[in-house]
Amino acid sequence: QVQLQESGPGLVKPSQTLSLTCTVSGGSISSGSYYWSWIRQPAGKGLEWIGRIYTSGSTNYNPSLKSRVTISVDTSKNQFSLKLSSVTAADTAVYYCAREAESIGGYSFDYWGQGTLVTVSS
Amino acid sequence: DIQMTQSPSSLSASVGDRVTITCQASQDISNYLNWYQQKPGKAPKLLIYDASNLETGVPSRFSGSGSGTDFTFTISSLQPEDIATYYCQQYDNLPTFGGGTKVEIK
Repeated sequence: QVQLQESGPGLVKPSQTLSLTCTVSGGSISSGSYYWSWIRQPAGKGLEWIGRIYTSGSTNYNPSLKSRVTISVDTSKNQFSLKLSSVTAADTAVYYCAREAESIGGYSFDYWGQGTLVTVSS
Repeated sequence: DIQMTQSPSSLSASVGDRVTITCQASQDISNYLNWYQQKPGKAPKLLIYDASNLETGVPSRFSGSGSGTDFTFTISSLQPEDIATYYCQQYDNLPTFGGGTKVEIK
C-alpha cells in the first residue's frame, strides 16, 4: 500500500520561500509510470494543481505559478519536494502531495498525502 | 488552460435520492475526466476515472458518464456517508479541477 506524507514548516513569512517534502512509502518513487504532484487548497475553497515531476525527472507546472515553483525529487530518500518562492498571504493553504497514476485512458490522482497546512504570515 | 465548470456548487437532498452533478470543459477533453470525493478535513479520494470507470472498492451507487465537453456524476441513492464535496478533474493537458459541489442531507 503506497503512502504519502507531507512535511515542512507550518508558518512562512511573506516574501520568503515555502519548502515542503513528500515522503513516499510502500513503493519506489522511481519505478513505474507515475507523476508525483503537489496540489493545494485554501481554506473553504477548491483544489489547485501546482505542478508535478515524472519518474524521469521531467517537470510540469501550473502556468499561473510557474515563475515561483520548483519541484525536485530525491530518489535515494524516496522523496519529492516543493519550493514556492516569494509567498504572500494568498499562498496560505493546505498543501497535498499526490501520485498520478496512468489508467486506461490517461492519469488520475490515486494516492494522496493527508495534507499539511501552511500559513503565510509575519 | 482548460477550464472546468461544475454545477451546482451545492445541493441538498434526502437519503435515497438520486443526485446528479455536471461538469463542463472549456474544450473537448475526450474522456479524460476524473471524479473525486472530499470529506471535511480529509484528502480527496478518487471515485471515477476516465469519465465512467469505477475505482476499485468504490460503491456501485456512484457512476459517471460523458465525453467531449459534458460530463455527469451520479449517486443513485444518496447515503448519509456520501456527505462531502465532489470535484471533477480533467487531464487532457495539465490537470485542472472543477470548483466543487458540496452535497448535504436535507
